[in-house]
Parts: sequence; structure tokens; C-alpha cells
Amino acid sequence: QKEVEQDPGPLSVPEGAIVSLNCTYSNSAFQYFMWYRQYSRKGPELLMYTYSSGNKEDGRFTAQVDKSSKYISLFIRDSQPSDSATYLCAMSANFGNEKLTFGTGTRLTIIP
Amino acid sequence: ETGVTQSPTHLIKTRGQQVTLRCSSQSGHNTVSWYQQALGQGPQFIFQYYREEENGRGNFPPRFSGLQFPNYSSELNVNALELDDSALYLCASRGRQGNEQFFGPGTRLTVL
Repeated sequence: QKEVEQDPGPLSVPEGAIVSLNCTYSNSAFQYFMWYRQYSRKGPELLMYTYSSGNKEDGRFTAQVDKSSKYISLFIRDSQPSDSATYLCAMSANFGNEKLTFGTGTRLTIIP
Repeated sequence: ETGVTQSPTHLIKTRGQQVTLRCSSQSGHNTVSWYQQALGQGPQFIFQYYREEENGRGNFPPRFSGLQFPNYSSELNVNALELDDSALYLCASRGRQGNEQFFGPGTRLTVL
């Protein structure tokens, strides 16, 4: 069993819809949670970074962490065609611990 | 832009050869990590360097090695290339403060 599970999709939604992306994990030591966006043939771009449980909002993006359920989510409101990309969740155990453990990524397409 | 650059962009090698990939981080980013991303998968942690010393390693054999230099550049060396080494190789750097890692655009390696 992988430490981090993520539905690879693909996921297609119409423009303007709310998108929900999720990851589950098994390692209770994970404390730091990140969402990266990766366009085709590019490196991952950091979108959201959260520590421990709770919510964090940044513009159209909201990240949620539920450590009791070992479940994290990324919500995208008013989705745009430019949001079409692969979304990767990543997590680590310690501050300064560079070993990020990634999910497989969810491929998202926003249909105009 | 993350300020992390990688070279070359693409590389084709044959099985058994050796390859060196390069990464340049932002000034002050004294921690660098390398990841391997196979097609359709999330990045896998190879190792990290801090102040020019290896400071953590993932599940990769010794033929994967690295160097970090005082000018915030680093190298990933892979000996005795195998077909399964074909992947996107990413480097990521972290500054002195914060836990976020910023990725470069990657080097796509094809082993024939």
C-alpha cells in the first residue's frame, strides 16, 4: 500500500464549476501538507501549503486537512480553463525534512 | 518563476552510459533535493543535500549520486543507466526560512 493515495482521474468539469481534489495517507507522522500544480512537461508549482489540521484559503483555492481521518482536500472555485493541469498532493513529517512524499497526481481538464 | 533552473532540458542516452544533470538554485537556498518522476506518477525522492553534504536518501541505488557546490548549484549523476531510469528529473530548493520547496522545470531523460 502506498503512503499517499490519490485518484489519478482524469477529471473533466465545465468552466465555473467547483472542483474537489483529494488525497488520503497512512503515515500519521505527516504534519506538512502541500498541493502542487503541474502543467504538461513542466516542473510542479507550489499552490498551497498547510501545517497540521485546518483550512487555508488563497483566492479561488482552499486547502483542507483532516489529520484524524488522514484526508486532505483542495477545492477550486470558479474553475477556469487555465486550471487544466495535473494536481499533486505532497506531504512531509518534519520541518526542514526535504523528503516530500507525493501522490500520483490527478489530471484535471476544465471544459470551456 | 521559482528561480530554480535545470539543464539540459532533454537528454537521450543508451543503456549502460553515465549521465550528469545540473541544477541552479536561488542565492541563499542552501538545501536542494532531487526527485525522479516517471510518466503518470508523482515525483519520488532520490536524495537531498544541505551545505554540500548528503542529508537524506530515498530508495535509490548507489549508482545515483550527487554533488552540491557553494554557489547554490548541484548535480545528479547516474551511472550504468537502465531503461527504467527514463523519467523527468526534478530538483527543488528550500530557503533558510519556511518549509516550502520550489521546483525547477526538470530534465527529461530517455534511456534507449
